[in-house]
Amino acid sequence: DQQVKQNSPSLSVQEGRISILNCDYTNSMFDYFLWYKKYPAEGPTFLISISSIKDKNEDGRFTVFLNKSAKHLSLHIVPSQPGDSAVYFCAASEGGGSQGNLIFGKGTKLSVKP
Amino acid sequence: EAGVAQSPRYKIIEKRQSVAFWCNPISGHATLYWYQQILGQGPKLLIQFQNNGVVDDSQLPKDRFSAERLKGVDSTLKIQPAKLEDSAVYLCASSTQGPGEGEQYFGPGTRLTVT
Repeated sequence: DQQVKQNSPSLSVQEGRISILNCDYTNSMFDYFLWYKKYPAEGPTFLISISSIKDKNEDGRFTVFLNKSAKHLSLHIVPSQPGDSAVYFCAASEGGGSQGNLIFGKGTKLSVKP
Repeated sequence: EAGVAQSPRYKIIEKRQSVAFWCNPISGHATLYWYQQILGQGPKLLIQFQNNGVVDDSQLPKDRFSAERLKGVDSTLKIQPAKLEDSAVYLCASSTQGPGEGEQYFGPGTRLTVT
């Protein structure tokens, strides 16, 4: 039973446009959410996070939105750049931080075309 | 700052053989994690250490997997004997101690192929 779902295996976007990656979760006890980016042959790299007490967190070109009632979060990348091409993983945890067991989705492969 | 180091990067073994992976976390990071990532899936936590003590090993298949972190720094993960379904990337991560929002830093992983 998948607790964190990324239903789009892949996404293709033109350079300069917005990329929107979606993530749904089923466990209402999750209170901290993260996005990781992964390039081939490398480990995942932390990108941005959000606590359940917030509905938006912004860091440069990256913004994460959280809709608790819908158990849905999304990552917006504006503007998208070719270097953003990677697999993006959504992850969630209980306990107010990322110190414990992170539950990951299957990932979405983003391709940004020049 | 040096990142999380893992070795080997790649390993091919036959089923029923044994294999060990090594991880050296970021200096000063008290918490260390081992994840298993099967192709097409997200990483799944196998075991979490706080210093040299186990915090969570509920998803570790203890009949064949073992892990240790004897001096609270580097760690080894062992599989004995390996099965075909153990083919995966094994990721090590570390984070600072304490509550809050310290993110986990991942190493490059060890890709294991069991034939």
